[in-house]
Amino acid sequence: NAGVIQTPRHKVTGKGQEATLWCEPISGHSAVFWYRQTIVQGLEFLTYFRNQAPIDDSGMPKERFSAQMPNQSHSTLKIQSTQPQDSAVYLCASSSPTGGALTGQLYFGEGSKLTVL
Amino acid sequence: TQTVSQSDAHVTVFEGDSVELRCNYSYGGSIYLSWYIQHHGHGLQFLLKYYSGNPVVQGVNGFEAEFSKSDSSFHLRKASVHWSDSAVYFCAVSAASSGQKLVFGQGTILKVYL
Repeated sequence: NAGVIQTPRHKVTGKGQEATLWCEPISGHSAVFWYRQTIVQGLEFLTYFRNQAPIDDSGMPKERFSAQMPNQSHSTLKIQSTQPQDSAVYLCASSSPTGGALTGQLYFGEGSKLTVL
Repeated sequence: TQTVSQSDAHVTVFEGDSVELRCNYSYGGSIYLSWYIQHHGHGLQFLLKYYSGNPVVQGVNGFEAEFSKSDSSFHLRKASVHWSDSAVYFCAVSAASSGQKLVFGQGTILKVYL
């Protein structure tokens, strides 16, 4: 089992450009979570899918950020018109049908470090 | 809204020492408490969790944590640390009423010197 796979591991963009981050959850896991990690804010919940349906996007910035899960094997986080304050490590996690955030057990990817110049 | 507080930003110990990393939470309902470890440049890895039953739970690599309802705490302990335990440790809480998302503390950086 390869674990949660995130690509790219590092991405550098210029201000105003678009960035798309990819996540492949563990096979058989039904839930996918996105978190953002910065030194100042720590780990912030962004959004969550279960069985590909968006369940909770309460942490997503209202503008420029969007997430999708078109099939059970991958999810994307897209940031339009990137700004320097979007620089962070974006972490994707998945959980099994019987586990999940409610039981406190998520499986995280290595993260995608986004740097906006 | 539940909150998680890790009062120690940094903890420094020598190899072989015991260590306790503190976590306090604020929430009145049924919750799951968990601990995660993050080595530099990597994602988070699950260590252990508590929901009910024995308040002392065992995790991987000799870690254990003890739940205390009276203190609203879930402290992580290890009897004898190894240099490879150097990492950032996150306490987290989740509850059905919060939409099943994990809320993390700010993390504690543990440095183990040889």
